[in-house]
Amino acid sequence: DVKVTQSSRYLVKRTGEKVFLECVQDMDHENMFWYRQDPGLGLRLIYFSYDVKMKEKGDIPEGYSVSREKKERFSLILESASTNQTSMYLCASSLLGQALNQPQHFGDGTRLSIL
Amino acid sequence: KNQVEQSPQSLIILEGKNCTLQCNYTVSPFSNLRWYKQDTGRGPVSLTIMTFSENTKSNGRYTATLDADTKQSSLHITASQLSDSASYICVVSLSGGYNKLIFGAGTRLAVHP
Repeated sequence: DVKVTQSSRYLVKRTGEKVFLECVQDMDHENMFWYRQDPGLGLRLIYFSYDVKMKEKGDIPEGYSVSREKKERFSLILESASTNQTSMYLCASSLLGQALNQPQHFGDGTRLSIL
Repeated sequence: KNQVEQSPQSLIILEGKNCTLQCNYTVSPFSNLRWYKQDTGRGPVSLTIMTFSENTKSNGRYTATLDADTKQSSLHITASQLSDSASYICVVSLSGGYNKLIFGAGTRLAVHP
């Protein structure tokens, strides 16, 4: 089974801090994604990557950056955390041919609170 | 605007009963439609994926249907179990580019004994 592991289940940080969320997948997937999930809203894409050192902005990239130095690892960085970034963050991975019925496999999420 | 709308927002049923969740979408160009199950405190897990040419797909007690003409999908759960309590998320994939996913807000299902 595909395993996507997020380093922290819960995280509490202060406004203005630089925050790192880490994600590792063990199935050699080319694509990796970061989403945030807020109550009453569908998942929204922050950034995705289709290869090492490659990144593309999603729908809500403002205030975030990403890093993909190795194929299995995709990091989300909050440059200067703000309270409106309090949310559940989900990492996902998939094979490159997403249109060909390849599902995205999700981690269990990091619930981030910014105080 | 690309949108996926699910109904109802929440649903309570008794164990052993059947239920149907609805999904309407206005997404173009369409590639495929997915249903995910998300247990509380966990990440979503894929249940089914259907392309334009498929109008039904089953995964155990879960059966998804797709009407590409009316842009509607449903997820039918048969003989519900307590473990079916979860959020069910309808997701539509756009064709082209990186095959962006449009997520619905989900239906929260509670199965009571």
